[in-house]
Amino acid sequence: QKEVEQDPGPLSVPEGAIVSLNCTYSNSAFQYFMWYRQYSRKGPELLMYTYSSGNKEDGRFTAQVDKSSKYISLFIRDSQPSDSATYLCAMTMNRDDKIIFGKGTRLHILP
Amino acid sequence: DVKVTQSSRYLVKRTGEKVFLECVQDMDHENMFWYRQDPGLGLRLIYFSYDVKMKEKGDIPEGYSVSREKKERFSLILESASTNQTSMYLCASSLSLNEQFFGPGTRLTVL
Repeated sequence: QKEVEQDPGPLSVPEGAIVSLNCTYSNSAFQYFMWYRQYSRKGPELLMYTYSSGNKEDGRFTAQVDKSSKYISLFIRDSQPSDSATYLCAMTMNRDDKIIFGKGTRLHILP
Repeated sequence: DVKVTQSSRYLVKRTGEKVFLECVQDMDHENMFWYRQDPGLGLRLIYFSYDVKMKEKGDIPEGYSVSREKKERFSLILESASTNQTSMYLCASSLSLNEQFFGPGTRLTVL
């Protein structure tokens, strides 16, 4: 079983829809969870950072962690064409440990 | 804002050439990283450094070496480039090993 699994997509949704992106993981020791957004031909940029279980909201973005199910989600409300990118989940056991990245989900928001 | 810059956006080299990829960060971060990113394989850690003159192997160090003579600069060296090293190379820096900030990437083609 891979440490972090993420559907590669592509996922195409109409503008204005709610987008749900997900990752599952196998290591119950992971405590820090991140979402990165990567536009085409650019480096990834940190979008959301959460510790342990629960929700974190930032504008149109909500990150959700369910440690009991080993499942994390990123929700995008009122999706815009500018949200079209690859979204990578990432996680680590502690602040000074190596990050494990998912392979990314390609998202297309259709105008 | 953290700024991580990479010396080239696109690079074309021939098999057997020695290749230098340079990365500079301006936020006085202790940690710096080199990844490669390939379709279907995601981000893979090549080397990282947690201090000047210190280096640690990542998941795929074979065929690469690194140099960190100054805190702000981290170089990736391909001693003898091969076609299987054609890839997108991403540099990142961070204060802790998570919350990494990425550069724009160098797309290297080895002919």
